[in-house]
Amino acid sequence: GDSVTQMEGPVTLSEEAFLTINCTYTATGYPSLFWYVQYPGEGLQLLLKATKADDKGSNKGFEATYRKETTSFHLEKGSVQVSDSAVYFCALNYGGSQGNLIFGKGTKLSVKP
Amino acid sequence: DAGVIQSPRHEVTEMGQEVTLRCKPISGHNSLFWYRQTMMRGLELLIYFNNNVPIDDSGMPEDRFSAKMPNASFSTLKIQPSEPRDSAVYFCASSRLAGDTDTQYFGPGTRLTVL
Repeated sequence: GDSVTQMEGPVTLSEEAFLTINCTYTATGYPSLFWYVQYPGEGLQLLLKATKADDKGSNKGFEATYRKETTSFHLEKGSVQVSDSAVYFCALNYGGSQGNLIFGKGTKLSVKP
Repeated sequence: DAGVIQSPRHEVTEMGQEVTLRCKPISGHNSLFWYRQTMMRGLELLIYFNNNVPIDDSGMPEDRFSAKMPNASFSTLKIQPSEPRDSAVYFCASSRLAGDTDTQYFGPGTRLTVL
C-alpha cells in the first residue's frame, strides 16, 4: 500500500546550519505531498505542500520539491533558527474525492543556539 | 478565525471508564478527521467524515471506539470501556473538502491517560 518513509531522528543542529530531512514515498498514483510541523504541545500545522511533479512548495524559508523520478520530497532550509525546533512530518494524500493523509513517523529537530 | 477546538485538553481516567472526546471543526469545513498519536505507532487515522457522514472507519481499533458527528459543527470520539493501551494524544482535524490537495487543520489535541 501507499506509505511514507522519513529519516530517523532526532536531528540536532546549531543555529544557522543547513537542514535536510529526507522523505520518500510509495504510491500507486500521483499523490499530493505535504510537510506538517508540530511544535511542542501543539497540533500539527501545514508547513508546505506540492500537488504535482516538479512543484516546489515553500514557506518560512523551508522548501521541498516533488521529485517523481526519485519518489522523494526532501525538506530543506538554508539557515535554521532555534524557533524551528519541532517535529516534522512528511505526508501524502493519495487522492480522489475521499483522500486522506498518510504520515511518516516524524523527525524531531532540535536547534541549539 | 477560530481554529479546530478540542476538549478536554487533558483527560486522566481509570481503566474501564467511559471517555468522550469532543471536537468543533472550522466553520465551513465539510470533512472531519480523528487521529491518534503514540510513540510506537506515530499518527494513525481512526475515522473521517464527509458532510457529517462517516466514510472510512477502518482505522478504529475495535468496537470499544465509536465516533459520531450529529451536525456540521460537532463531533465526538468515545471509548467505552477504556484501557491503558488507549493512552495517547487524540487529534481532530478538519478540511474544506477531502480532496487530495486540501489542507487539513489540526486541533491542539487531547492527551488521554488511562490508568
